Amino acid sequence: DGGITQSPKYLFRKEGQNVTLSCEQNLNHDAMYWYRQDPGQGLRLIYYSQIVNDFQKGDIAEGYSVSREKKESFPLTVTSAQKNPTAFYLCASSLPEGGRGYNEQFFGPGTRLTVL
Amino acid sequence: GQQLNQSPQSMFIQEGEDVSMNCTSSSIFNTWLWYKQDPGEGPVLLIALYKAGELTSNGRLTAQFGITRKDSFLNISASIPSDVGIYFCAGHPQGAQKLVFGQGTRLTINP
Repeated sequence: DGGITQSPKYLFRKEGQNVTLSCEQNLNHDAMYWYRQDPGQGLRLIYYSQIVNDFQKGDIAEGYSVSREKKESFPLTVTSAQKNPTAFYLCASSLPEGGRGYNEQFFGPGTRLTVL
Repeated sequence: GQQLNQSPQSMFIQEGEDVSMNCTSSSIFNTWLWYKQDPGEGPVLLIALYKAGELTSNGRLTAQFGITRKDSFLNISASIPSDVGIYFCAGHPQGAQKLVFGQGTRLTINP
């Protein structure tokens, strides 16, 4: 079945450690996104990528980094520079910009990161 | 940045009741989307709207793209327990690349 997978579902890390969250999709979508969700809040865009080997900062990129070496993969690294990393992280993908379906983003199941 | 005002923030209803929620913006949007999120899961796309005045249904759910292009509405008829969750509106502002999300409406249903 086509879809987006994120792993792991729950992640615990010590303060000061970098951690990488995985996101894989087999929908053949060109565009991929990372969002952060805090309790009782909406979604805030961290980074997005419209094509392989290219990505742009979202609204809250500080303390995060990404790579897009393959179309189906868009890993997110939460660095030690991120002051408050504990949150629920969501990955999404969509069709290329310009098409009607571009705005229809499809989400993975999320990774809950807790920094101790 | 651009914000969407989604209301109400929470709703407590009886099973079988109809539900209405809305999303408004101070600027024009080209697209409106409605998502549902279950606890600990990713949002699931319910309905996408692309034209002002468009009215689209998905089972017991009906959503409308406001005529002014600055608002959207979601209605759920005859609510059932599995409708519980958080409903998010999202929109694509005119001239902008990124989707903007509302803060969500938390729906609780008493059986």
